[in-house]
Amino acid sequence: AQSVTQLDSHVSVSEGTPVLLRCNYSSSYSPSLFWYVQHPNKGLQLLLKYTSAATLVKGINGFEAEFKKSETSFHLTKPSAHLRDAAEYFCVVSEGYKLSFGAGTTVTVRA
Amino acid sequence: KAGVTQTPRYLIKTRGQQVTLSCSPISGHRSVSWYQQTPGQGLQFLFEYFSETQRNKGNFPGRFSGRQFSNSRSEMNVSTLELGDSALYLCASSLASGTATYEQYFGPGTRLTVT
Repeated sequence: AQSVTQLDSHVSVSEGTPVLLRCNYSSSYSPSLFWYVQHPNKGLQLLLKYTSAATLVKGINGFEAEFKKSETSFHLTKPSAHLRDAAEYFCVVSEGYKLSFGAGTTVTVRA
Repeated sequence: KAGVTQTPRYLIKTRGQQVTLSCSPISGHRSVSWYQQTPGQGLQFLFEYFSETQRNKGNFPGRFSGRQFSNSRSEMNVSTLELGDSALYLCASSLASGTATYEQYFGPGTRLTVT
């Protein structure tokens, strides 16, 4: 079975500084990986996906993630945080049509 | 293109009752998945339907069931409600066919409170 581990349950950054959200995955074969964001009282929005093409994946709202097979990692970054980035972020691995979610990382952005 | 819609958005039920939640996928999407989100357990997969057939089911008791109609709309039903069923129930749709992997698009969820 595939799984993901989000290494930080909470990340706090100042507006305008970089954001790093860490995710490690476990998979017996080449995985499909995703990052989703959930704002309070909202559904999940897809930020980006990795499906064995380029290892550096660009997503929406300035986010990007790098797939590193040797480290089994798929960390999410953004060069400059904005107040609207405050939300919960989920790293997700796909096992066919079943998604397995990490526990989530709550991002707080200080003005 | 309209997104995934879920009805109702909020629901309050009493223990022992049953509830039906509805999900309309994005036009053209034939796969619908359901997830339960709680503060303690996080996001957990309930089941997935494709072309009216349940292809996969998570580790939930038989009180949780679902179905999909020919127009890809889906419903999930929870019978004999328990307090622990209070959660946000999320529906997601995808183009997925066969075993290909496609990203899933989520609806806003139905907030179920059991008293």
